[in-house]
Amino acid sequence: DVKVTQSSRYLVKRTGEKVFLECVQDMDHENMFWYRQDPGLGLRLIYFSYDVKMKEKGDIPEGYSVSREKKERFSLILESASTNQTSMYLCASNHLQGNNNQPQHFGDGTRLSIL
Amino acid sequence: GDSVTQMEGPVTLSEEAFLTINCTYTATGYPSLFWYVQYPGEGLQLLLKATKADDKGSNKGFEATYRKETTSFHLEKGSVQVSDSAVYFCALSDEDTNAGKSTFGDGTTLTVKP
Repeated sequence: DVKVTQSSRYLVKRTGEKVFLECVQDMDHENMFWYRQDPGLGLRLIYFSYDVKMKEKGDIPEGYSVSREKKERFSLILESASTNQTSMYLCASNHLQGNNNQPQHFGDGTRLSIL
Repeated sequence: GDSVTQMEGPVTLSEEAFLTINCTYTATGYPSLFWYVQYPGEGLQLLLKATKADDKGSNKGFEATYRKETTSFHLEKGSVQVSDSAVYFCALSDEDTNAGKSTFGDGTTLTVKP
């Protein structure tokens, strides 16, 4: 069965800390995505990557960076955590193909609290 | 740009009631359409999809038909169960954008009461 694994389900950090959220997929997918999910705002795309060492900004990249050193792993980095980054973070992946009918596969999410 | 508009929630139904969650879209190309479901404490999972006009996606008693003329992809189920309580997201993936990237609606929360 396909699997996207996020390293932590719950995480509590302090303002100003550097925070790493890790995501691993076992499906050999080219595309990987990071979203944040907030009540009333749906899913908002932070960054995505379509290949190793490649990244593109999503809709809300400010305050975040990403790293994709290996195909299966996509890390989200909060350079200096702030309270407005308290949220649910979701990682997803899918194949990059010539068509557009590939659904995304999601991890279970990391609920991050910044104090 | 692409956008997805879904029916605002929350929606509360009694068990065995009929469910409709409306979804309309705007896309520059010819998109594929998806419904995802998110159960409490979990990530999203694909419920069903349709890739061309008049296609009907179906799964677990849920159905949705790709209507190009009305740019809609409404989710329906004839008889809901308590276990269907979840958040439902409509999404599209447009052939004109990076293949694999999707635009999501804001989600509709469904609560089914016994």
